[in-house]
Amino acid sequence: EAQVTQNPRYLITVTGKKLTVTCSQNMNHEYMSWYRQDPGLGLRQIYYSMNVEVTDKGDVPEGYKVSRKEKRNFPLILESPSPNQTSLYFCASSLGSWGSYNEQFFGPGTRLTVL
Amino acid sequence: AQSVTQPDIHITVSEGASLELRCNYSYGATPYLFWYVQSPGQGLQLLLKYFSGDTLVQGIKGFEAEFKRSQSSFNLRKPSVHWSDAAEYFCAVPKAAGNKLTFGGGTRVLVKP
Repeated sequence: EAQVTQNPRYLITVTGKKLTVTCSQNMNHEYMSWYRQDPGLGLRQIYYSMNVEVTDKGDVPEGYKVSRKEKRNFPLILESPSPNQTSLYFCASSLGSWGSYNEQFFGPGTRLTVL
Repeated sequence: AQSVTQPDIHITVSEGASLELRCNYSYGATPYLFWYVQSPGQGLQLLLKYFSGDTLVQGIKGFEAEFKRSQSSFNLRKPSVHWSDAAEYFCAVPKAAGNKLTFGGGTRVLVKP
């Protein structure tokens, strides 16, 4: 089944404790993104990647890191989480850029709480 | 910069009644437009998309949307709502730079029995 998976689905942590949220897709997609969802704000892009070893900042990158060492994986890293990073996080992937009319496929989400 | 606005934060509708969700866009040229649905505890699922051509777009789950350039709108409709349609709905416009979707704030739909 074609899908985007994220782990963990739920995470409660404390301020300053480094964490990683994993994202994997099995569709051989080139493009991957991370979004955070906050009430009333919709989803906002954190980082995106156009291919292996190619990443760039989205709209709200502060406090986050990403890496793309393999095509299928795109982990989100919070080196020193803070309470304002409490949010619902989504990973997404697509075959190509919007010029190719490609749909983005979303993972199930990771609900992160930072105490 | 292109953006979308969803004026209604919450909508409550009775099962079997019609539903219309509003989406207004701000964009100079003809935009690409999407509607996504997020069911409780789930990720986002694409309902339908508009790129060009016919301004009335049919989607999954019985939804349709109409692109109206004169009103800068792309409203989502369903003639008869089912309890399973209770969810949050997002209008979105893509931006090629960054392969990003810019989302509206979302409209949460509650369905009364």
